[in-house]
Amino acid sequence: DGGITQSPKYLFRKEGQNVTLSCEQNLNHDAMYWYRQDPGQGLRLIYYSQIVNDFQKGDIAEGYSVSREKKESFPLTVTSAQKNPTAFYLCASSMGLAGLPSTDTQYFGPGTRLTVL
Amino acid sequence: AQSVAQPEDQVNVAEGNPLTVKCTYSVSGNPYLFWYVQYPNRGLQFLLKYITGDNLVKGSYGFEAEFNKSQTSFHLKKPSALVSDSALYFCAVRDIVLTGGGNKLTFGTGTQLKVEL
Repeated sequence: DGGITQSPKYLFRKEGQNVTLSCEQNLNHDAMYWYRQDPGQGLRLIYYSQIVNDFQKGDIAEGYSVSREKKESFPLTVTSAQKNPTAFYLCASSMGLAGLPSTDTQYFGPGTRLTVL
Repeated sequence: AQSVAQPEDQVNVAEGNPLTVKCTYSVSGNPYLFWYVQYPNRGLQFLLKYITGDNLVKGSYGFEAEFNKSQTSFHLKKPSALVSDSALYFCAVRDIVLTGGGNKLTFGTGTQLKVEL
């Protein structure tokens, strides 16, 4: 988990409310990723960003939004349009452009557990 | 699309015995394979990866993985299990290389390892 921080550790959301999950890294990595983890389903990619001010949708982007205004930060907003947001959210980063595709390894933060009340 | 399968939801091993956590893959082209471990309510920790070269890959905490091209497998192994190895283990394959840098990974559904005294 070293080098990547996520906050808060636990988050509770009311129906119809937007919430923002924080992800910060001090690894000087270009690429950052957001995953959602549900029991028995592994990890699914929500959004990724390869460079500041640019990001792309992953496999399950509906109901989520992101921004990448700084290299170190990649916050995820879970909007009211996400109908089933209760899950464990993981942020990751990798060297991306600064490294070789063959050696690019993703490193993960400690996660945020989001629960809808 | 690339995929990985982890055929066992749970593996039980006695402490001191060797352990194996299974992973099979399906890829077009050369496989780039990863193993991660997750302790309860924590992020994923990188254990090891196979890119090319020796079929036996050594990683963190005494773990190793054997790449077998003919059987399309990448099983995780440890000669002597510890109770502290009890965790959730994920196999992943590089799905696509992102044109702007970084990799998109596809994860298996995870195998819960339980090491008992």
